[in-house]
Amino acid sequence: GAVVSQHPSWVICKSGTSVKIECRSLDFQATTMFWYRQFPKQSLMLMATSNEGSKATYEQGVEKDKFLINHASLTLSTLTVTSAHPEDSSFYICSAPRGNTIYFGEGSWLTVV
Amino acid sequence: DAKTTQPPSMDCAEGRAANLPCNHSTISGNEYVYWYRQIHSQGPQYIIHGLKNNETNEMASLIITEDRKSSTLILPHATLRDTAVYYCIVRPPGGGADGLTFGKGTHLIIQP
Repeated sequence: GAVVSQHPSWVICKSGTSVKIECRSLDFQATTMFWYRQFPKQSLMLMATSNEGSKATYEQGVEKDKFLINHASLTLSTLTVTSAHPEDSSFYICSAPRGNTIYFGEGSWLTVV
Repeated sequence: DAKTTQPPSMDCAEGRAANLPCNHSTISGNEYVYWYRQIHSQGPQYIIHGLKNNETNEMASLIITEDRKSSTLILPHATLRDTAVYYCIVRPPGGGADGLTFGKGTHLIIQP
């Protein structure tokens, strides 16, 4: 069964609005979670590392003010896409390590219209 | 940059064994080899990982060469549901602070 869960699975929002995606670790605690973005026919690209109780660390080229990450508890990290634009439309995926293995959520499809 | 090289695509007949190769010639002595797969429009699914010994679980077998510079993922009896992109990734032990780096993977197509 799933060990990492994302919500929502898909969302459509208007350009200029913000949208929040949740990532939960099920039955285990995760001090670190990872957020990825995947465009059609491309591989996953790591966006940022979410750290419980401290600031997220962002990969080069990822705007921290646009992609707000909050890791307020040991089982929940959220990614908020602020002032979304059509070019932000993508598949967003989170993951969390449990032991030596990293498990991924089901992914969240974002469409900005 | 991904530290692995995989063929972009492969075909396999349903019911046959699917053997997916991966080159990781620059792997460090303490790095593990992980395999994930991504079925269309879903998040990646963990398959198996290993260090230097061959590994087997309910999904697949992992064969790592003695010099550890390459490995092969084996799906013993492929089904249509095994059609997916398969990613081979190297990762240090306890690398919980670092996200995985994905290459382009191998698109495995199981033919009926």
